[in-house]
Amino acid sequence: SQKIEQNSEALNIQEGKTATLTCNYTNYSPAYLQWYRQDPGRGPVFLLLIRENEKEKRKERLKVTFDTTLKQSLFHITASQPADSATYLCALDGPGAGSYQLTFGKGTKLSVIP
Amino acid sequence: SAVISQKPSRDICQRGTSLTIQCQVDSQVTMMFWYRQQPGQSLTLIATANQGSEATYESGFVIDKFPISRPNLTFSTLTVSNMSPEDSSIYLCSVAGLAAEQYFGPGTRLTVT
Repeated sequence: SQKIEQNSEALNIQEGKTATLTCNYTNYSPAYLQWYRQDPGRGPVFLLLIRENEKEKRKERLKVTFDTTLKQSLFHITASQPADSATYLCALDGPGAGSYQLTFGKGTKLSVIP
Repeated sequence: SAVISQKPSRDICQRGTSLTIQCQVDSQVTMMFWYRQQPGQSLTLIATANQGSEATYESGFVIDKFPISRPNLTFSTLTVSNMSPEDSSIYLCSVAGLAAEQYFGPGTRLTVT
């Protein structure tokens, strides 16, 4: 089964800085990798999906990179705001082509300090 | 994106009893999923529920403990049977989007005493 590590349980950064979160996996290479945001008491909210043949994806202040050689994805939030404070989860599909089953990491709790 | 609601939002149950959690989607979807999120842990997939077929359970989860129904394309239920304190968790349903992303309900927080 897939093993996923997210760099740290908690990350504190100053407002306006760029937050960088890491997701490493150890077994099979997924067809795609996803990032979700989860606020306390709520279900995860989909943010971005990046496919194995894509190096980088952007959406507003969010950027995701995917390095299948390093088995790593980086998730960046630029110009961070206190409203970005939440737990961020990475998730991988598979194994098997067309698999919709996702394996989630434990998440990184981001706190943006005003 | 789909809008998903779950009932109940939370419940406190006694050991040995069963609880059925409902998941309603605002549009027709083929694939629905049920997850468990134990305190301080990430999401673990329990089963995939497709309309018109038996649910597919992940390793460590069995139908007798977590029976699932999927009567139509907008609704599903998960029952947690013969509960023990170890079943205390948040239970979430989700649906697959067009690009394999998933949309989650708000979750059901279950406490077993």
